[in-house]
Amino acid sequence: EEQLLESGGGLAQPGGSLRLSCAASGFTFLSYGMSWVRQGPGKGLEWVAHIIGSGSHAYYADSVKGRFTISRDNSRNTLYLQMNDLRAEDTAIYFCGHVPIPGWSIPTIDVWGQGTRVTVSS
Amino acid sequence: DIQMTQSPSSLSASVGDRVSITCRASQGIGNDLGWYQQKPGKAPKRLIYAASGLQSGVPSRFSGSGSGTEFTLTISSLEPEDFATYYCLHHNSYPYSFGQGTKLEIK
Repeated sequence: EEQLLESGGGLAQPGGSLRLSCAASGFTFLSYGMSWVRQGPGKGLEWVAHIIGSGSHAYYADSVKGRFTISRDNSRNTLYLQMNDLRAEDTAIYFCGHVPIPGWSIPTIDVWGQGTRVTVSS
Repeated sequence: DIQMTQSPSSLSASVGDRVSITCRASQGIGNDLGWYQQKPGKAPKRLIYAASGLQSGVPSRFSGSGSGTEFTLTISSLEPEDFATYYCLHHNSYPYSFGQGTKLEIK
């Protein structure tokens, strides 16, 4: 069974940093592009970042570009999100999951973590 | 950047009703669109891939249609477990983006 397990959330001060992790099991991790998405309190889903299977290319929402870094360690089947210069508006539940790359039109797995809560406050 | 406009933002319906939700893209995205269901406190769940493909394990009352700039999710006959919030997500080019969401409530 495909599974993702996030960790690393918590309370951070404005301007501070946190590193989220997402451990994968039950599927061939390096074969799948992975995204982080988030959901602020009472808000909709927001796509944050994506990294392709090899880890060679990463992409970001404008709201986090230059502050967040997505990475992966395929030897450890783990996805990361390094969050620097945190702001109050980054407060959200963060989910990791597989999202297809552009042009992908064949069946693919649907796997998401349970979410990890990040709160940015002084 | 491509913007996704989803409508309606909320919808009230009864068990057994047929409902449709629409997403419009600000420019053509081919069929690079998925539909997701989210229940409170839970991760999103993909229902439809590539605009019209039914994700494995998803009931056949869910269907997707469209290509280019206009897309529709249809639930043919609502079941009690379908009351949730629905989102479209384009993956045509970076940055990806979600629609604003449609909250489906029981009438």
